[in-house]
Amino acid sequence: AQRVTQPEKLLSVFKGAPVELKCNYSYSGSPELFWYVQYSRQRLQLLLRHISRESIKGFTADLNKGETSFHLKKPFAQEEDSAMYYCALTGNSGYALNFGKGTSLLVTP
Amino acid sequence: DTGVSQDPRHKITKRGQNVTFRCDPISEHNRLYWYRQTLGQGPEFLTYFQNEAQLEKSRLLSDRFSAERPKGSFSTLEIQRTEQGDSAMYLCASSLPGHATAGYTFGSGTRLTVV
Repeated sequence: AQRVTQPEKLLSVFKGAPVELKCNYSYSGSPELFWYVQYSRQRLQLLLRHISRESIKGFTADLNKGETSFHLKKPFAQEEDSAMYYCALTGNSGYALNFGKGTSLLVTP
Repeated sequence: DTGVSQDPRHKITKRGQNVTFRCDPISEHNRLYWYRQTLGQGPEFLTYFQNEAQLEKSRLLSDRFSAERPKGSFSTLEIQRTEQGDSAMYLCASSLPGHATAGYTFGSGTRLTVV
């Protein structure tokens, strides 16, 4: 069974501080992992994919198969990063995304 | 093309009534997905189309739910005999041909309230 766990419902950090949003998964095969973000009053949108190994808006995420984790990190948080962040996994099906419950990030000045 | 469009944005209905939602995906996206999101939860997969073929349905999709994509373009999701537990945000997404790895484009959703 596929499962995505985001242990923190809310994460509050000061502007300029590092931020790490945790994501752990369980899946027996080789997963593909994603981070989606939803800013206030906007639609859910793709932030980054592990397969691309990209950095978007200063965020990075590394897939750690040993720890079954895909934590999202940014060295210096900005107020505009305040949003809801969802970690998601797709397995062998290649289409259905399994989302975590999300973490609300609040960056305060 | 302004992305994935969903209609209506909000729907309030009485318990027992039928409701239908519409989704217009990005035109070149042949894959279309329906998700449901309740308060405090992430989106949950309901069903998936490749062109006009419905290829997968979640067990969350009870017999009261039916989805169609008649010409491989827009899709409808119908809920019959609505129950209060159906109250949720219904999200539609589409993706490029191939693999979900390309990432979904989501619509703004239809918020259903059953009273």
